[in-house]
Amino acid sequence: GAGVSQSPRYKVAKRGQDVALRCDPISGHVSLFWYQQALGQGPEFLTYFQNEAQLDKSGLPSDRFFAERPEGSVSTLKIQRTQQEDSAVYLCASSLSFRDSFSYNEQFFGPGTRLTVL
Amino acid sequence: AQTVTQSQPEMSVQEAETVTLSCTYDTSENNYYLFWYKQPPSRQMILVIRQEAYKQQNATENRFSVNFQKAAKSFSLKISDSQLGDTAMYFCAFMKHGDYGGSQGNLIFGKGTKLSVKP
Repeated sequence: GAGVSQSPRYKVAKRGQDVALRCDPISGHVSLFWYQQALGQGPEFLTYFQNEAQLDKSGLPSDRFFAERPEGSVSTLKIQRTQQEDSAVYLCASSLSFRDSFSYNEQFFGPGTRLTVL
Repeated sequence: AQTVTQSQPEMSVQEAETVTLSCTYDTSENNYYLFWYKQPPSRQMILVIRQEAYKQQNATENRFSVNFQKAAKSFSLKISDSQLGDTAMYFCAFMKHGDYGGSQGNLIFGKGTKLSVKP
């Protein structure tokens, strides 16, 4: 596609509900990142995929957060038993190269999914 | 651990004027990248400009330029001839070099500066 797309753009969930957020990276991009952006804050790293392998999940805030990218393309971020503190914009970014490649490759961001937990 | 600090939560500038956004960072790394990203209201984050720490020359991209002071760990963004379309949140970000000299991947962002360009 022309850019990174994310769906849904807005999601309202009741506390305790499970949610699934989708990211469609740019075709052919190897690397995929998820970031969480709380209101009034900068984005914070959640997890990283290289193709289908989840190589870094050090930023996931709790075991209620789970991400997958089974075929090395589309990725889903799942949040179980949502809490109010999960309210944020979830950003996905993709990049052409491997994370530890020899050269720099720009991360392209999607528009984000704004999650509101009531 | 790396940190990025943007001390100006909000700034405003008149159209056609020049404005400078401040950023400081803390790291023990010697090789890294620094970035300025723009996030317009309800639109996606886009890269404005990138600086590689080993390069002494300040990066420029049309109306956007940086003042990179490695020893002071300072990385400011200057926007010349400000336009209404420059109105956005601006984030300063840091990325370590990877083991092979390329990108390590994870971006570390500051809290952002909200820039308003007034007609």
